[in-house]
Amino acid sequence: GAVVSQHPSWVICKSGTSVKIECRSLDFQATTMFWYRQFPKQSLMLMATSNEGSKATYEQGVEKDKFLINHASLTLSTLTVTSAHPEDSSFYICSASQNPGNEQFFGPGTRLTVL
Amino acid sequence: DAKTTQPPSMDCAEGRAANLPCNHSTISGNEYVYWYRQIHSQGPQYIIHGLKNNETNEMASLIITEDRKSSTLILPHATLRDTAVYYCIVRAATSGTYKYIFGTGTRLKVLA
Repeated sequence: GAVVSQHPSWVICKSGTSVKIECRSLDFQATTMFWYRQFPKQSLMLMATSNEGSKATYEQGVEKDKFLINHASLTLSTLTVTSAHPEDSSFYICSASQNPGNEQFFGPGTRLTVL
Repeated sequence: DAKTTQPPSMDCAEGRAANLPCNHSTISGNEYVYWYRQIHSQGPQYIIHGLKNNETNEMASLIITEDRKSSTLILPHATLRDTAVYYCIVRAATSGTYKYIFGTGTRLKVLA
């Protein structure tokens, strides 16, 4: 149980294009989903927290207009990187929690490369 | 937010116990300690969590000191597949939202 999937697992795009990453909780309903970014040889950095049906809460320094997060259902959240640039190339990981106080279960990650 | 401090790397012989320490001296009374591990290029995997009592599951044991300022994750019989980066996290609660603040983690290498 407690499986979280991400799609795609990797994506390569041209600079200036937008990329959408999906995060799904497969066997539980997630009231809260989180989005992280991880650069090579670094730790995970929380980007934003999203609750189903509400606007996402972004961490300080994360541009909400660049990283659009939608959490339209209890099993799906999407992260759209708008007008991607090479510096946005990173490993993006989502996690989901059934209830606010429960542990987070992480997806396998999406590797984004912007040329 | 409470922060954690872990040694950057550790080695452990296969079959031996791996003891991974974590300091969280600024932890608050209602903050839990979580442990996850991340194998290269994958998402973190949940291992165990606790508040103040020691905990054990099929993967590991978690020992939390009485003052809760530090904890130790114990992998009783390490295997090569346990080679990973292990993160000790103190879960922060702000306005009803619980979020993880990841530290730098410990890179555990299990040696044959």
